[in-house]
Amino acid sequence: NAGVTQTPKFQVLKTGQSMTLQCAQDMNHEYMSWYRQDPGMGLRLIHYSVGAGITDQGEVPNGYNVSRSTTEDFPLRLLSAAPSQTSVYFCASSLSRTGGNTEAFFGQGTRLTVV
Amino acid sequence: GENVEQHPSTLSVQEGDSAVIKCTYSDSASNYFPWYKQELGKGPQLIIDIRSNVGEKKDQRIAVTLNKTAKHFSLHITETQPEDSAVYFCAARLGGYSSASKIIFGSGTRLSIRP
Repeated sequence: NAGVTQTPKFQVLKTGQSMTLQCAQDMNHEYMSWYRQDPGMGLRLIHYSVGAGITDQGEVPNGYNVSRSTTEDFPLRLLSAAPSQTSVYFCASSLSRTGGNTEAFFGQGTRLTVV
Repeated sequence: GENVEQHPSTLSVQEGDSAVIKCTYSDSASNYFPWYKQELGKGPQLIIDIRSNVGEKKDQRIAVTLNKTAKHFSLHITETQPEDSAVYFCAARLGGYSSASKIIFGSGTRLSIRP
């Protein structure tokens, strides 16, 4: 049981490049989400999904796309990287949002630098 | 708007002493309050949570208290140990138990345990 797995752990991009941050969980969780963490600002929600085929925007969705074709995977895509997207990105999952148990498991994070 | 304020931003305590971290929230509809511990280079780890119908919850050396009237909740760590050194985040869930309910995170407290 690996929990929530994120890849890569570190990435450097040039402005304008695109890339996909991978997130996978093996706990059969319905709910998955992406956060970014910036110094002094806590965690901010980018996108979330309540099940396969269902995604929605969070607090800071601009510049990011997501899809959820399977229960296990929830990739985050940066279409055209900008320096403002330099951050640490975390994927999280929970069995179900409606039960009140929220963001129970986090991945190890991806540290992204855009130059 | 909705926010969660967390204090202090840094806290240093002698090993064996107690540590207290406080959070206030703005939305009276908040109903679920998790606390996370984040060690260096790792993702946040859910350590304890409390729901709005409970005033206090304990788990070994950690406890959380909730004052709904004052919209205030706190994390208490007793008999602190070196492994308690980490950044701690509080959070509040808004909008009931629907799948679209928001989680707002505090800005974090860096706790250091002095030997």
